[in-house]
Amino acid sequence: GQNIDQPTEMTATEGAIVQINCTYQTSGFNGLFWYQQHAGEAPTFLSYNVLDGLEEKGRFSSFLSRSKGYSYLLLKELQMKDSASYLCAVKDSNYQLIWGAGTKLIIKP
Amino acid sequence: IAGITQAPTSQILAAGRRMTLRCTQDMRHNAMYWYRQDLGLGLRLIHYSNTAGTTGKGEVPDGYSVSRANTDDFPLTLASAVPSQTSVYFCASSEASGDTDTQYFGPGTRLTVL
Repeated sequence: GQNIDQPTEMTATEGAIVQINCTYQTSGFNGLFWYQQHAGEAPTFLSYNVLDGLEEKGRFSSFLSRSKGYSYLLLKELQMKDSASYLCAVKDSNYQLIWGAGTKLIIKP
Repeated sequence: IAGITQAPTSQILAAGRRMTLRCTQDMRHNAMYWYRQDLGLGLRLIHYSNTAGTTGKGEVPDGYSVSRANTDDFPLTLASAVPSQTSVYFCASSEASGDTDTQYFGPGTRLTVL
């Protein structure tokens, strides 16, 4: 079966750095997406990786290792507004997104 | 403002009733999707449409139907609602259905079936 694993919840301090991991086992791979979802709102797109390596976008970076079936989202200089759930999703061989259950990130002052 | 709208925002429905959730996008995206989101689970695909006039089944299609008469609209119908269909429903769209195509989400409909 297809499976996306990420931690259920993480806590970090304002101003710090946090890394949210995602491991996947899917039938085929056509890219990995990270989305942010604030409570009661829709998911919003953060990043896309299809090749191995690091993609940097401001305070957020995303890393992919296809051979290890592994990705992480790195958030720097954490702000209170970063408190949200972070969703990892993989496009499978049918170009459908398979979603992880999400990681709830709690930022403390 | 370009984007995706969903209606209603929330709904309480008696079991056995028929319900249609509406979704409209004005980005001229070819592909549209319906997901449900339940606590502790990832988003699960119900139905999708890669282009107007075509639809396909996702991971959890039972009890749901869709139509795609034009590019902009993608309604989801529950023919006879059951309590297990209590969930938050998100509609999404993407320019196409290829590997790099990013999905953009509507604000969601919170549905409670009693």
